[in-house]
Amino acid sequence: GENVEQHPSTLSVQEGDSAVIKCTYSDSASNYFPWYKQELGKGPQLIIDIRSNVGEKKDQRIAVTLNKTAKHFSLHITETQPEDSAVYFCAASINNQGGKLIFGQGTELSVKP
Amino acid sequence: NAGVTQTPKFQVLKTGQSMTLQCAQDMNHEYMSWYRQDPGMGLRLIHYSVGAGITDQGEVPNGYNVSRSTTEDFPLRLLSAAPSQTSVYFCASSYGGVRTEAFFGQGTRLTVV
Repeated sequence: GENVEQHPSTLSVQEGDSAVIKCTYSDSASNYFPWYKQELGKGPQLIIDIRSNVGEKKDQRIAVTLNKTAKHFSLHITETQPEDSAVYFCAASINNQGGKLIFGQGTELSVKP
Repeated sequence: NAGVTQTPKFQVLKTGQSMTLQCAQDMNHEYMSWYRQDPGMGLRLIHYSVGAGITDQGEVPNGYNVSRSTTEDFPLRLLSAAPSQTSVYFCASSYGGVRTEAFFGQGTRLTVV
């Protein structure tokens, strides 16, 4: 089955710096790659996603890149702000597979003012 | 529009007791799923459903049962609780097909003593 590895497990940056979180997946059939942000005591919330027919996607300060050949994808946050502090999860899925998301282990991002 | 609603928010069980975690969504989503979240392990898929009357196992199904009698509800049953089932449980739903964005509930924190 699919396996998703996520690094680093913790990341501390200064406000205004960029943050990068990386994930690798094992199943070449996976074609949907979402990123979730989880704040303390809350459920995960989708922040950006990318499909396998696209190499890069941006939404304001966040971007995701996908390298299908190497089976890895990354989240980039620019101009980080204290409110970006949270746990971030990557996931992989196959369309029409019942919403089966296989998650990475999570990255705790801390943005210091 | 409440989204995905989970009850209860907190629960303490004794070993061997049974209980049902409730999940309801009002978005007319076809896909629903249950995840458990443990420290350092991300979210792991327990069971999922692609529609009323259809369920399937995820990564960690042992010790849990599900049923999907309506589109709106997807309860998770613990038949005989064990300390290893101490976790935070999340329910998620999505439209299905190519509309794969998953919406998560706020979670149920379960402690088995």
